Amino acid sequence: DAKTTQPNSMESNEEEPVHLPCNHSTISGTDYIHWYRQLPSQGPEYVIHGLTSNVNNRMASLAIAEDRKSSTLILHRATLRDAAVYYCILGNSGGSNYKLTFGKGTLLTVNP
Amino acid sequence: GAVVSQHPSWVICKSGTSVKIECRSLDFQATTMFWYRQFPKQSLMLMATSNEGSKATYEQGVEKDKFLINHASLTLSTLTVTSAHPEDSSFYICSARYGRVGSEAFFGQGTRLTVV
Repeated sequence: DAKTTQPNSMESNEEEPVHLPCNHSTISGTDYIHWYRQLPSQGPEYVIHGLTSNVNNRMASLAIAEDRKSSTLILHRATLRDAAVYYCILGNSGGSNYKLTFGKGTLLTVNP
Repeated sequence: GAVVSQHPSWVICKSGTSVKIECRSLDFQATTMFWYRQFPKQSLMLMATSNEGSKATYEQGVEKDKFLINHASLTLSTLTVTSAHPEDSSFYICSARYGRVGSEAFFGQGTRLTVV
């Protein structure tokens, strides 16, 4: 499985933008880039995903490098509720073999 | 987003007994469901992938006779931990996705299993 590399932790201040980086240099042409986040003792929550173009939704934006070897999750205005572990995952396509394998993720701390 | 419901949220059982955990996709048909296990301060570890109507595919090192997975319908998958032991105590999480290429997965709230 193609792997991702994320910083172990990051810190942000409330109401400031946050840029969470992810490297995936071995990504294949059909791998989707997924982001999920997890609060303690809860299941992961879907944040955003994309293939080649940048993506925006109500929660965040996903900026994908032109060579697709890295991506950045952007939280435009961090709130205390955004404090969580953020996982960048490559969804290896292939029909019935599709699966999401989690790495260690980035622990985001948001300071008031 | 779509809703995946997992039941129970927590369970305590005696060593040697079996425990069943249910995972339901409430508002979509899940062609594929996944089961994960998570130990404290660690990431999620994929245990198995199941497609509706077929046998589950287990990840290396996961005992298929101990962790029985059934995906009988497009909205329900179950994980049964058989002859549970204290080392099976963990946080079990299911997720579900529909079959469109590249579609995202949605996760249940998790089940905290404690074997005493």
